[in-house]
Amino acid sequence: QGQLVQSGAEVQKPGASVRVSCKASGYTFIGYYIHWVRQAPGQGLEWMGWINPNSGGTSYAQKFQGRVTMTRDTSINTAYMELSRLRSDDTAVYYCARMYYYDRWFDPWGQGTLVTVSS
Amino acid sequence: IVITQTPLSAPVTLGQPASISCRSSQSLVDSDGRTYLSWLQQRPGQPPRLLIYRVSNRFSGVPDRFSGSGAGTEFTLKISRVEAEDVGVYYCMQTTQFPYTFGQGTKLEIK
Repeated sequence: QGQLVQSGAEVQKPGASVRVSCKASGYTFIGYYIHWVRQAPGQGLEWMGWINPNSGGTSYAQKFQGRVTMTRDTSINTAYMELSRLRSDDTAVYYCARMYYYDRWFDPWGQGTLVTVSS
Repeated sequence: IVITQTPLSAPVTLGQPASISCRSSQSLVDSDGRTYLSWLQQRPGQPPRLLIYRVSNRFSGVPDRFSGSGAGTEFTLKISRVEAEDVGVYYCMQTTQFPYTFGQGTKLEIK
């Protein structure tokens, strides 16, 4: 069925960077895209972009272009999302999710990583 | 693509039906003829969970009281008989066109 386990909560200062990891297990890591979605406190869901773990190819939402970098390490079945030049409004829970390409559904989701940006 | 979800709050009596609607600003039919509209449930303190994909396909393990319907720009999630475990926020999501987008969410609560 598959499982995604994310790294722990982070507190960062404005202007800093944060890297969140997403470790896959129970399925063939390179066979499915990984997407990243964030959720500000008490707010809805916002799509950030995807990475193809097989090729390393990426696509980012325009809002995050220039600030987000998605990478992967196939030797340890882990995807990463790095967000730079952090602002207070980047405070959110960041989720990774596996996408089944054919039907474009998202499952499973990681448990989420809270990133707090505060001076 | 902007998705407008209604209602934003849905108080429901246990055992009664519930219905949530999503309207997209443009058709969600892709060039391959398929419509990529999903429904997600997010229980308090939990990550989202997939309920329905491609408008009306129930995901593995999802109770059959959940059903999805619609076409083009109008979509509906129905719960035939609400149970206590259904409390949470429901989102529709389109994966037809980048950037993928979500509805604002509908908070389902028990009266």
